[in-house]
Amino acid sequence: DGGITQSPKYLFRKEGQNVTLSCEQNLNHDAMYWYRQDPGQGLRLIYYSQIVNDFQKGDIAEGYSVSREKKESFPLTVTSAQKNPTAFYLCASSIRDNNQPQHFGDGTRLSIL
Amino acid sequence: QKEVEQDPGPLSVPEGAIVSLNCTYSNSAFQYFMWYRQYSRKGPELLMYTYSSGNKEDGRFTAQVDKSSKYISLFIRDSQPSDSATYLCARPGKAGTALIFGKGTTLSVSS
Repeated sequence: DGGITQSPKYLFRKEGQNVTLSCEQNLNHDAMYWYRQDPGQGLRLIYYSQIVNDFQKGDIAEGYSVSREKKESFPLTVTSAQKNPTAFYLCASSIRDNNQPQHFGDGTRLSIL
Repeated sequence: QKEVEQDPGPLSVPEGAIVSLNCTYSNSAFQYFMWYRQYSRKGPELLMYTYSSGNKEDGRFTAQVDKSSKYISLFIRDSQPSDSATYLCARPGKAGTALIFGKGTTLSVSS
């Protein structure tokens, strides 16, 4: 089955630690996205990538970093500079056309220890 | 480039009711609109994808776009407890960017 796989489902971070969230897709989509979801805040865009080896900051990129070395993979690193990382993180992908719908993974819930 | 507004609810209805979920938008340049359904602790799933004005029906779900009023609606007929979820509307962003989402409306259908 084609889809988007996010791992792990739950993740805990210690103070001062960087953690990396995995996102893999086998839909052959060029574009991939990372969102953060907090209660009452909706989906906020962190980073997006329209093509391999290229990515752009979204609305709340501070304290996060990404890489796009392969078409199917778009990992997100939550750095120690992100002071309030507790949230639900969602990865999505789409055909490279801004009119096309995005397809989402089932998210990673990150909490602080 | 925000400008997609949704009433967050929560909206509570009895089983079998007709539900109306609404979004407003301010930029009329876009032709496509989407509705997503998100169950608790899951990612959003695409429910409806509509183009410009008019209605699109899929089973118990009907999506309606009124460009003159800049209004997007999702109607659910014969609502079921399994429809209890958060519903998000979305429109395209600028070329080469991402979809713009509303904050979502939480629906609860009681049996």
